[in-house]
Amino acid sequence: GENVEQHPSTLSVQEGDSAVIKCTYSDSASNYFPWYKQELGKRPQLIIDIRSNVGEKKDQRIAVTLNKTAKHFSLHITETQPEDSAVYFCAASKGDSNYQLIWGAGTKLIIKP
Amino acid sequence: GAVVSQHPSRVICKSGTSVKIECRSLDFQATTMFWYRQFPKQSLMLMATSNEGSKATYEQGVEKDKFLINHASLTLSTLTVTSAHPEDSSFYICSARGAGTYEQYFGPGTRLTVT
Repeated sequence: GENVEQHPSTLSVQEGDSAVIKCTYSDSASNYFPWYKQELGKRPQLIIDIRSNVGEKKDQRIAVTLNKTAKHFSLHITETQPEDSAVYFCAASKGDSNYQLIWGAGTKLIIKP
Repeated sequence: GAVVSQHPSRVICKSGTSVKIECRSLDFQATTMFWYRQFPKQSLMLMATSNEGSKATYEQGVEKDKFLINHASLTLSTLTVTSAHPEDSSFYICSARGAGTYEQYFGPGTRLTVT
């Protein structure tokens, strides 16, 4: 079945710098790749997603890139701010099994003031 | 945007009792609802998937007789933890998806503590 690996598990960056989180997936049939942000004790929130027919998508300070050949996708956050500190999860879906998501293990992002 | 509520947010119960958690989609019809369990500092573990009017599909290793799921309408799904034990203590989160869409929207979660 599908497997999603996420790296790094913890990322510490200086405020104002950029952060990049990477995921790889195993099933080439996967065609939907969301990123969720989860603050401590709260619900995961969808922050950006990308479909397999697109290579890059941007929304203000966040962007996601997808390399279908290599089966990689990445989250880029520019001009990081303290409120970006959270755990970020990537996921992948191929639209079967009720559009079930296969989740990465998560990355704890720490923004240092 | 799509809003999902979950109730209760916190519950403490004694070992051997049952607890019911409700998940509601407030502004859209949820074709599918997912129930997850999350341990501290870990990822989301899918427990089961439910479609309105159908029996839930449970993931391997999840006891269907212990975690009863009902999805009686397009806006409400319930998870009942039966005969709860301390090892069932966890953060339970539901998510909902509309027809023909990939996006899952999450409820705020329920912190269950079994004493």
